[in-house]
Amino acid sequence: GAVVSQHPSRVICKSGTSVKIECRSLDFQATTMFWYRQFPKKSLMLMATSNEGSKATYEQGVEKDKFLINHASLTLSTLTVTSAHPEDSSFYICSARDPGKTYNSPLHFGNGTRLTVT
Amino acid sequence: QKEVEQNSGPLSVPEGAIASLNCTYSDRGSQSFFWYRQYSGKSPELIMSIYSNGDKEDGRFTAQLNKASQYVSLLIRDSQPSDSATYLCAVKGAGTASKLTFGTGTRLQVTL
Repeated sequence: GAVVSQHPSRVICKSGTSVKIECRSLDFQATTMFWYRQFPKKSLMLMATSNEGSKATYEQGVEKDKFLINHASLTLSTLTVTSAHPEDSSFYICSARDPGKTYNSPLHFGNGTRLTVT
Repeated sequence: QKEVEQNSGPLSVPEGAIASLNCTYSDRGSQSFFWYRQYSGKSPELIMSIYSNGDKEDGRFTAQLNKASQYVSLLIRDSQPSDSATYLCAVKGAGTASKLTFGTGTRLQVTL
């Protein structure tokens, strides 16, 4: 199946700094990637849809200036949490759809990034 | 009303028993249904996908879909301690623009 690689797996940063998370599709091209956030004991919430070569589509309530998404190539999407605050501490997970499949095929997830803002 | 509902559990079953996980959804036009397994601190892993009414079996796992009742379930036969995890139900509506919506998950504990 499709493999999605995410880096770093864990990051601790100070309040006010920015953190970049990378998501790569291995062995396949992903024109669309999805960024999710998951708080403890809560479900995954879609933050934004990352589109290669164009602007990301953000879900309602997600600040686009705070969560910068760049999808500059067919295998790489990045999420930058700018001016991070403790309330941004969460588990961030990227995902991509099976390559060559239809729009309703399953998503495959990266290993996630545990962000802790102190 | 939540779009995808699951009992949070924990659901405790003895080793070797059948675990039954349930999920209901509100969007009657939903087309695609998925079960993911998530271990603590890890990202979700796809277990099953189902698109048509009825049962779909894969090894020890069986997904059941009833669109009329807006209900999807996952059965795990011969439950093992390694099956202990949170199981997320995910539902996708019709159309290319529809997004995947997750339930809050059911925590399964398989006891020795």
